[in-house]
Amino acid sequence: DAGITQSPRHKVTETGTPVTLRCHQTENHRYMYWYRQDPGHGLRLIHYSYGVKDTDKGEVSDGYSVSRSKTEDFLLTLESATSSQTSVYFCAISEPVGDIYEQYFGPGTRLTVT
Amino acid sequence: AQKVTQAQTEISVVEKEDVTLDCVYETRDTTYYLFWYKQPPSGELVFLIRRNSFDEQNEISGRYSWNFQKSTSSFNFTITASQVVDSAVYFCALSEVNSGNTPLVFGKGTRLSVIA
Repeated sequence: DAGITQSPRHKVTETGTPVTLRCHQTENHRYMYWYRQDPGHGLRLIHYSYGVKDTDKGEVSDGYSVSRSKTEDFLLTLESATSSQTSVYFCAISEPVGDIYEQYFGPGTRLTVT
Repeated sequence: AQKVTQAQTEISVVEKEDVTLDCVYETRDTTYYLFWYKQPPSGELVFLIRRNSFDEQNEISGRYSWNFQKSTSSFNFTITASQVVDSAVYFCALSEVNSGNTPLVFGKGTRLSVIA
């Protein structure tokens, strides 16, 4: 268990409203990631963080911003939600296993934008 | 650029049959990692295996086995004597080696249905 929680687990919101999803981890991992999962696309990287206040864009970052003010929390914000952002969002951490890093995922957040 | 292709969108087998899920990858890096994840109907992503590019040894874990072949850029996953509990979506993924930062590139997944 990598100690990753996500909140909320489910959310329905209207187009144009801001939405923030939270990822919380308890084991002081440096690297954290946000992915979205859509039918026919698998999972795609939105943003990632390599430390407090250190973030970078992934493949599908348009329309999303992130923040990491504490090691344990990585927030994903949709400034103005659109229907195309209806998806399941997964947070992940990168954990060392010996000299190799493996990635483990949170339980996911199902977001519906109406 | 990195890419992972899982050409089989859906597979249906009868319980106790063997089934192989295909994964073909593209990367320019000489050092990389390959992964398989399982996503059961409950939705969570379960880590199954990680293989690095220097280790082409096949691996077996119970009814699961993995065949890594650099010559064909493939990392196939075989379930022997399938069971209903194996029904899930399976994802193959690839990452470069970059210290601890391992963002993954995923295939689109293969949905496996095992029928009793």
